[in-house]
Amino acid sequence: GENVEQHPSTLSVQEGDSAVIKCTYSDSASNYFPWYKQELGKRPQLIIDIRSNVGEKKDQRIAVTLNKTAKHFSLHITETQPEDSAVYFCAVLPRGSQGNLIFGKGTKLSVKP
Amino acid sequence: GAGVSQSPRYKVAKRGQDVALRCDPISGHVSLFWYQQALGQGPEFLTYFQNEAQLDKSGLPSDRFFAERPEGSVSTLKIQRTQQEDSAVYLCASSGGTDMTGELFFGEGSRLTVL
Repeated sequence: GENVEQHPSTLSVQEGDSAVIKCTYSDSASNYFPWYKQELGKRPQLIIDIRSNVGEKKDQRIAVTLNKTAKHFSLHITETQPEDSAVYFCAVLPRGSQGNLIFGKGTKLSVKP
Repeated sequence: GAGVSQSPRYKVAKRGQDVALRCDPISGHVSLFWYQQALGQGPEFLTYFQNEAQLDKSGLPSDRFFAERPEGSVSTLKIQRTQQEDSAVYLCASSGGTDMTGELFFGEGSRLTVL
């Protein structure tokens, strides 16, 4: 089955710096890659997603890049702000899945003012 | 309501007790998912409903776990004879269609602690 690995597990940056989180997956047929943000004690919320027919997608300070050949995708946050502090989860939807998103273990991002 | 609602938010059970966790999805949402999130881990899929039909229950860890959605709206996750390893946050999510690439709207979860 699909295996998702996420790195780093923790990331600390200064306010205004960029943050990059990377995920690798094993099944080359997987075709949907969302990122969820979970603030402490809160529900996960979708922040951006990308489909396998697209290499990059941007939404203001957030971007996701997908390298299908290498089977990895990355979340990029520019001009980080303290409110970006949270745990970020990547996820992969294997082709043919009934909705069984496979999540990474998460990255705890801390943005220091 | 405006979002996915789960109850209870916190549940403490003695080992061996049965528990029932409720999920009220966003009104009209066809798809409903249950995930288990252990401390410091990502959510792990348990089961998926499309309306009242349980289309995938491959993630349920044992036959002590049972989920239902009899009328295609509210869902209940039941855990029988709870064990300490069942301690986790149980997240419910719903989505408006059957397109598996749609956004999942999560509830805030039910935190289960088994003593």
